[in-house]
Order: sequence, then structure tokens, then C-alpha cells
Amino acid sequence: KNQVEQSPQSLIILEGKNCTLQCNYTVSPFSNLRWYKQDTGRGPVSLTIMTFSENTKSNGRYTATLDADTKQSSLHITASQLSDSASYICVVRTYQAGTALIFGKGTTLSVSS
Amino acid sequence: DVKVTQSSRYLVKRTGEKVFLECVQDMDHENMFWYRQDPGLGLRLIYFSYDVKMKEKGDIPEGYSVSREKKERFSLILESASTNQTSMYLCASSLDSNYGYTFGSGTRLTVV
Repeated sequence: KNQVEQSPQSLIILEGKNCTLQCNYTVSPFSNLRWYKQDTGRGPVSLTIMTFSENTKSNGRYTATLDADTKQSSLHITASQLSDSASYICVVRTYQAGTALIFGKGTTLSVSS
Repeated sequence: DVKVTQSSRYLVKRTGEKVFLECVQDMDHENMFWYRQDPGLGLRLIYFSYDVKMKEKGDIPEGYSVSREKKERFSLILESASTNQTSMYLCASSLDSNYGYTFGSGTRLTVV
């Protein structure tokens, strides 16, 4: 069964600290992996998309990694800010019409001052 | 930037009412999607459309229908709203499945 598991479920860090969110997937065949940021009450916003051949991709203070062999991805946030408080969703796309996106349940990050 | 606009941020409807949720995108995207998002369950696909007048069922289509008369507009219809359809509804569009999806801001629907 295609699944995307994220950990931790929630995380609290102090402003300025770094953190890493994890995503493990059992999706086959694999097409690409996406990380989204979702602010409370808003729709998700894309942070990165990585294909099979990409190991690392950055978007400002966000750096995503992908290990296609172990089927793991991480999202590293550097020098966190209060505005990073959000839910971060890992999404894996498979080669399948329509229901091609498999969503993780997200990690809720709270950054406190 | 692509903009996906959902007509309402918050809606309160009564059980049995017919409910229309509207979604409009402004970048000529072929693909449009409707999801619902519930705590602990993540996003689940209700319906999607790859072209005008074309629609396909997602993972949880029961109790819903859709309409896509024009390329830019994708409507979700709750034929007879029930309390278990209380949820956050998210519309998304994409140029191609290989590209990122652009989501709307969501409609939080409460059925009482």
C-alpha cells in the first residue's frame, strides 16, 4: 500500500534554532517528492519538488534531501523564525492518473520566542 | 504567480442543503482538483478534472459531484449536505502532474 509517514507529529523549537522534519514513504513507482508549508487556515504552498535523481534542493532557509534508496526525505529549516510556525506536509507522486499524490499527515511546527 | 481563488473562506450550511463550492484559477491550467482536509487524516482527493467537461472520481467521491464547464472554473457540489461533510475543502490546479500544485486558501464548511 502506498503510504507516506511523517515524524515527528509536532515539534516546538525556539526562534533561531534549526530543526529537521522526516518523511518516509513506501510509494511505488516513484515520480517525485514535494514538501508543502501550510499556515493555519490556509492552503498548502509548495516549498520544493525533487525527482529521483535529485538529492538536495534548497529554497531559502529550507533544504530538502531525498534518499531514493532508503525512501526517506528530510526538510531542514535553518535559523527558524516565528513565521515558520505551520504544518509541513510531505507528498509523494506516483505514476498513476488522478490519485497520483500520496499525502503525509504533516508535522506541526511551532516556533516560539 | 498562479492564483487559485475559492469563493468563500467560511460557510455554514444546514443538513440537507445543496452546497456549491467554487474554485477559479487564472493560469490556463488543464488540471484541477478538490480535496478535503480533516485533522489526523491529511488531504484526501474527492474529484479531479484534466479537461473541460471531464471529471474523475478520487478516493472519497461519495456524497459529492463536480462541474467543469469552463477551463478556469471547477465547482464542487454537495448534493445534500450532511454533518460528516464538515471539513476544510481545498481546491488545487496544476499545469501538469509533474509540476507543483497551487492550492487555494480553502473553504471551511460547517454543516449543522
